[in-house]
Amino acid sequence: VQVVKSGGGETQPGGSLRLSCEGSGFSLSRYWMYWVRQAPGQGLVWVARINSDGSSTGYADNVKGRFTISRDNANNALYLQMNSLSAEDTAFYYCVRYRLLGELFPALDRWGQGIRVTVSS
Amino acid sequence: DIQMTQSPSSLSASVGDRVTIVCRASQNINNFLNWYQQKPGKGPELLIFAATTLQTGVPSRFSGSGSGTDFTLTISPLQPDDFATYYCQQSFTSSYSFGQGTTLQI
Repeated sequence: VQVVKSGGGETQPGGSLRLSCEGSGFSLSRYWMYWVRQAPGQGLVWVARINSDGSSTGYADNVKGRFTISRDNANNALYLQMNSLSAEDTAFYYCVRYRLLGELFPALDRWGQGIRVTVSS
Repeated sequence: DIQMTQSPSSLSASVGDRVTIVCRASQNINNFLNWYQQKPGKGPELLIFAATTLQTGVPSRFSGSGSGTDFTLTISPLQPDDFATYYCQQSFTSSYSFGQGTTLQI
């Protein structure tokens, strides 16, 4: 059971990138999904989340209005469209599966390997 | 927002040692506390949820304790594969904030 990533790369400030991931070995459509990022040498912060059918999304304050999370359950895929990028968005981005474990306890139980995003002039 | 503080930020130990990492929440989170392990170049892996419950497949040398605001992750005995960075995360509120990490070094 894995999360397989693609996309990412380098862009200039003000640019855009689109990240993709797909579930390998599980049906991504059954789960809420998150994007979590980790800036160089820093900790983990979630930036976007989406419910299982895509009808509800949420964003961290510092990406609201710039990032859009979406999903294509028919193709087992999750996306993060990132616009108006700045140097502060430079990070590894992880596509992560969310579950309620023990029927009550939220956890991020499957993480992708990380997609490198660099914003630099 | 709930702030999560880990200590120490780094720790040196040897194979066979017992090590303890502390995580403190800025307010009561009951037992809504997860621990993750991250190795260089990889995404984190869930070790423990609900403060004390080992995720499937996690070796029994890992254990978690605590409730309220104070939590610990203990590893004993340390194995070579355990040298990594460990993060706590609160799941009491949907901000799901993480600690800053503890790097366990040989």
